[in-house]
Amino acid sequence: DAKTTQPTSMDCAEGRAANLPCNHSTISGNEYVYWYRQIHSQGPQYIIHGLKNNETNEMASLIITEDRKSSTLILPHATLRDTAVYYCIVRFWGIQGAQKLVFGQGTRLTINP
Amino acid sequence: SAVISQKPSRDICQRGTSLTIQCQVDSQVTMMFWYRQQPGQSLTLIATANQGSEATYESGFVIDKFPISRPNLTFSTLTVSNMSPEDSSIYLCSVAVVSSGANVLTFGAGSRLTVL
Repeated sequence: DAKTTQPTSMDCAEGRAANLPCNHSTISGNEYVYWYRQIHSQGPQYIIHGLKNNETNEMASLIITEDRKSSTLILPHATLRDTAVYYCIVRFWGIQGAQKLVFGQGTRLTINP
Repeated sequence: SAVISQKPSRDICQRGTSLTIQCQVDSQVTMMFWYRQQPGQSLTLIATANQGSEATYESGFVIDKFPISRPNLTFSTLTVSNMSPEDSSIYLCSVAVVSSGANVLTFGAGSRLTVL
């Protein structure tokens, strides 16, 4: 599995864009980049995923560099409810049994009023 | 996406006893997983629950300690056997659903277990 490196913690002001980086320099061509978050005492929540192209949904945007060795999750207008641990995971999607996701330590994002 | 119900949401148990956690999904899913989250830690995959066959356990987890059942495509149970305080954790059920060409995981709210 490709390893990911994320900052341990980050702070962001409410209303500003939160940009969470993730390095995955050993990613292979068929591995997806997934982002999840876990708000305190809740189960993890899927945010977004991508392979090569930048992606956007109602929650966030995912920017993947052209060489795919790093990515950035962007929360465009952070609110206090976005305070959570954010996990960046790279994983191959294909044969059954290779789809399990392995979580690292993530980035603890704190949104400040 | 699938909706997952886990029971119990929390429990306090005595050392040496066993507890079974149930996971019910509102739709048929092929892939179902059990994770553990120890206090202050990230999630660790325990096993993949396979319908109609034995679960596939990750390194460090064994069937005698964490027996898993998966009788159909909507239901699974995880038993934590002969519990000790070190088993105090949140246990999470998750299922994989296909979205935009990839599998994404949906998680239950978790079962918070405290062993005294």
